Amino acid sequence: GDSVTQMEGPVTLSEEAFLTINCTYTATGYPSLFWYVQYPGEGLQLLLKATKADDKGSNKGFEATYRKETTSFHLEKGSVQVSDSAVYFCALRTPLSGGYNKLIFGAGTRLAVHP
Amino acid sequence: NAGVTQTPKFQVLKTGQSMTLQCAQDMNHNSMYWYRQDPGMGLRLIYYSASEGTTDKGEVPNGYNVSRLNKREFSLRLESAAPSQTSVYFCASSYQGEGTQYFGPGTRLLVL
Repeated sequence: GDSVTQMEGPVTLSEEAFLTINCTYTATGYPSLFWYVQYPGEGLQLLLKATKADDKGSNKGFEATYRKETTSFHLEKGSVQVSDSAVYFCALRTPLSGGYNKLIFGAGTRLAVHP
Repeated sequence: NAGVTQTPKFQVLKTGQSMTLQCAQDMNHNSMYWYRQDPGMGLRLIYYSASEGTTDKGEVPNGYNVSRLNKREFSLRLESAAPSQTSVYFCASSYQGEGTQYFGPGTRLLVL
């Protein structure tokens, strides 16, 4: 079945460092891909998404490119801030009957940024 | 616009007790979902409701029941709680066919 694999955390960085969080997927066809972020004590929020191969999603300085050749959707940010400390989840959309869909999530990667 | 709301925020139960987690959305979404979040396992789908009047099992439905009361509300019931159900529960909603799901703030459940 469909699945998502993320790099294990925690990832610890200094402020202004470059961030990469790896995400690879296994799926039939070319599903839409998502990054969600969960700040401490809160629910998940959509960070960015890409709906087809070679699309680049971007938001708040974060970027991810849908690479069908490597079945990857790695999250990057050029200069992280302390406020980026959170758990990041990669997810793919998989179809259900009747035109509905569900999300399959990776295990999450905790990012800690220190001053 | 409240988005997705969940009650309660936190609950402690004894083994064998029952409880209902409530979820409501005000975005006129067709589809609603219940997930549980456990350390190192991401979010796993418990049940979903593709549209009003329908519910289906997800990956981990055992020990749970759901009710789609109307378009806005989707509740999750634990009939006889077990320590293995200690987790954080998230409700989410989306438009039919749209991948973006919107999440509530979660309910933290501890079963002793």
